[in-house]
Amino acid sequence: DTEVTQTPKHLVMGMTNKKSLKCEQHMGHRAMYWYKQKAKKPPELMFVYSYEKLSINESVPSRFSPECPNSSLLNLHLHALQPEDSALYLCASSQDLLYTDTQYFGPGTRLTVL
Amino acid sequence: LAKTTQPISMDSYEGQEVNITCSHNNIATNDYITWYQQFPSQGPRFIIQGYKTKVTNEVASLFIPADRKSSTLSLPRVSLSDTAVYYCLVGDVNNDMRFGAGTRLTVKP
Repeated sequence: DTEVTQTPKHLVMGMTNKKSLKCEQHMGHRAMYWYKQKAKKPPELMFVYSYEKLSINESVPSRFSPECPNSSLLNLHLHALQPEDSALYLCASSQDLLYTDTQYFGPGTRLTVL
Repeated sequence: LAKTTQPISMDSYEGQEVNITCSHNNIATNDYITWYQQFPSQGPRFIIQGYKTKVTNEVASLFIPADRKSSTLSLPRVSLSDTAVYYCLVGDVNNDMRFGAGTRLTVKP
């Protein structure tokens, strides 16, 4: 099983709402990633967890709050977002946090902020 | 961090071989080159990875010259379903892997 699942597929939220994105993998991978992708742009790295600890935070605004409850789950909590945060949010996982490790991506959550 | 440069777009026809070249002039000694494919509204998918010379798998080949300042992804006999964006990444020992701008390949009938 080389699947990374993400829920929900689509999310529409207002600027005062609080919502969460969920990502799950059962490949035994120890590294998990959140990316943000705007239309016709490459994915931009947001956060990386390794062994359930936050390893990389690419200076992401605090209205995005990641959480890794266990080695299979990754959440992204959203609060007080802006319309410009509308994008495709991708989750990925890899065996370890090695630059040679293949990243397996989920299908993404399409977020619209009104 | 090695910056990558790729053509913005390429067109091809079904059955042709497509070669996409990525420039990475300041690649470091231990850096690896990885290519991903992305279809619209999907996450990227790993295609191939290499360090030097040539690597081949069931879907593509990767050619890396001796100076490693560039690499070429070769897709044999493309079909309409190969229409996608192809990203070249250079990963370094600091685990800094950033997606470049990507090449939008359009395969025509």
